[in-house]
Amino acid sequence: KQEVTQIPAALSVPEGENLVLNCSFTDSAIYNLQWFRQDPGKGLTSLLLIQSSQREQTSGRLNASLDKSSGRSTLYIAASQPGDSATYLCAVRGEDNFNKFYFGSGTKLNVKP
Amino acid sequence: DVKVTQSSRYLVKRTGEKVFLECVQDMDHENMFWYRQDPGLGLRLIYFSYDVKMKEKGDIPEGYSVSREKKERFSLILESASTNQTSMYLCASSPGTPYTGELFFGEGSRLTVL
Repeated sequence: KQEVTQIPAALSVPEGENLVLNCSFTDSAIYNLQWFRQDPGKGLTSLLLIQSSQREQTSGRLNASLDKSSGRSTLYIAASQPGDSATYLCAVRGEDNFNKFYFGSGTKLNVKP
Repeated sequence: DVKVTQSSRYLVKRTGEKVFLECVQDMDHENMFWYRQDPGLGLRLIYFSYDVKMKEKGDIPEGYSVSREKKERFSLILESASTNQTSMYLCASSPGTPYTGELFFGEGSRLTVL
């Protein structure tokens, strides 16, 4: 069964730092991997979607990479801001069952002014 | 932009009440999902639907049912609410084509059962 792990569970950095969030998965048979942001008490907002054939995707200050063979993805946030404070989750979509998503437990990011 | 709208952000219900949670998406997506999110347990799939009137059980369907009479609307029903169903409920939708397959979530419905 696919397992998705995000380490660390929490991260606190000063404003302006570049940072990397990690996501690892045990089964490389995936359709895609998606990164989300969740603010307290809210739903998940899609940040980036990487198809299994792609290596990376970029949106503004965010860059996500995917290494299927090693079962890893990273979300790079450049020049972090206090407004980036949120929980970041990754999810993989199973190749064997297209409607099955496996979520990590998230990394709670705090960017200090 | 894709919009997934959950009709109620906060609900407080009594044990034994029947509860309806409504979700509407505006992008003609084939697939719709209901998850619940609890601290320490993450997101767990309750039900999903891949077409009108079609549904499949997720990981924790007990105590829940769903209805999809129209493509844009997916309802979650708690037949007789219990305190252990106090949770954040998240609706999501996704296109049916495998290649795109991006998942979009609503704002969530926080349900408290007293």
